[in-house]
Amino acid sequence: NAGVTQTPKFQVLKTGQSMTLQCAQDMNHEYMSWYRQDPGMGLRLIHYSVGAGITDQGEVPNGYNVSRSTTEDFPLRLLSAAPSQTSVYFCASSYKRGGRSSYEQYFGPGTRLTVT
Amino acid sequence: AQKVTQAQTEISVVEKEDVTLDCVYETRDTTYYLFWYKQPPSGELVFLIRRNSFDEQNEISGRYSWNFQKSTSSFNFTITASQVVDSAVYFCALSEVFEGNTPLVFGKGTRLSVIA
Repeated sequence: NAGVTQTPKFQVLKTGQSMTLQCAQDMNHEYMSWYRQDPGMGLRLIHYSVGAGITDQGEVPNGYNVSRSTTEDFPLRLLSAAPSQTSVYFCASSYKRGGRSSYEQYFGPGTRLTVT
Repeated sequence: AQKVTQAQTEISVVEKEDVTLDCVYETRDTTYYLFWYKQPPSGELVFLIRRNSFDEQNEISGRYSWNFQKSTSSFNFTITASQVVDSAVYFCALSEVFEGNTPLVFGKGTRLSVIA
């Protein structure tokens, strides 16, 4: 298994540009999430999904869109990038076990985004 | 609301010293999970431990040990005989147990530097 993969690893955008951060997992996990990590702030939840076709907002959703058309993929879209979105983005997945969530998140390697 | 506090922003120790990283959490739920993750300089997030709220037994894994005390809402992490390879940022995180998803709430992290 490749686990959780994220592309690209690095990206530089100009203010106002749009782009999609890709996240894929091959473990058949139901749950997927996006976090952003800023210096001194820990990781904060942007959006999450409990299964294909179902998404919800986390702590810091503004400026980001998500969709979940398949179990494997959970892309994060920046519609109009702003310097405040400069951050490291982590995608994570987890799975149910025995009807209860596993509570262990498997993290991707991260995408470092700079918006100028 | 959930909250995780890691009051120590940065810690510096000399190799072979013991070091304890503090984690204090807040939750209204009686059922929850606590985690520790390590983020080495390479940037990935490495899962260290998961502990559920019903299990207050301390855990030891090699040079790592964890002390979970519900009475003080703390889940502290001790590294014995620290090594340079332990230098990293360490995150404590909390997940409330409920059907649907397992998003994590992270502390802001403690940067540990182990000096040779």
